[in-house]
Amino acid sequence: DAKTTQPTSMDCAEGRAANLPCNHSTISGNEYVYWYRQIHSQGPQYIIHGLKNNETNEMASLIITEDRKSSTLILPHATLRDTAVYYCIVRADRLTGTASKLTFGTGTRLQVTL
Amino acid sequence: DAGITQSPRHKVTETGTPVTLRCHQTENHRYMYWYRQDPGHGLRLIHYSYGVKDTDKGEVSDGYSVSRSKTEDFLLTLESATSSQTSVYFCAISGRGTSAGYEQYFGPGTRLTVT
Repeated sequence: DAKTTQPTSMDCAEGRAANLPCNHSTISGNEYVYWYRQIHSQGPQYIIHGLKNNETNEMASLIITEDRKSSTLILPHATLRDTAVYYCIVRADRLTGTASKLTFGTGTRLQVTL
Repeated sequence: DAGITQSPRHKVTETGTPVTLRCHQTENHRYMYWYRQDPGHGLRLIHYSYGVKDTDKGEVSDGYSVSRSKTEDFLLTLESATSSQTSVYFCAISGRGTSAGYEQYFGPGTRLTVT
């Protein structure tokens, strides 16, 4: 799986959009970009994933550059409850007969403030 | 919630004792995983299962064994606990039915302390 690079930490004011970048310059054509987050003391939570098109769900939007070497997770209106560590993960498409393992790095610690 | 529970949620044990952690799911997901999380590290995969009685090692499997005798339960065993196994353990599931789903859903975690 391709390696990802994320900033160690970011701050965001409550009510503003939080834009979390991720670089994955060695991504392969069949690899997806996933985002998870982990709120303190809880298990990681799936947010969104995409291949090459931008994606949006009720939690966030995912913007992937045309060359797919980087992406941005957007939380449109951050709240204090969004304070967490956000993980960007790149992994291959489903592999027949093999589990979809995820490799977690150290992520970005997002602090949402009043 | 993805219908995944872990037990116990907290455990303190002594070095050299056996410990078994249980992960239980009600979602009929095919794949199950055990991760550990330590300060300064991301989550690291210990073992995973891709079906009943089908398991394989992850990146930090030494000192751990697993068993999956039925779809809903995945057990992680520390045969002889050591202080280096003090950690928070997370179970995850993915792939409802027979397909390999993309997302993994995580349990609430078990905090294990080995004294």
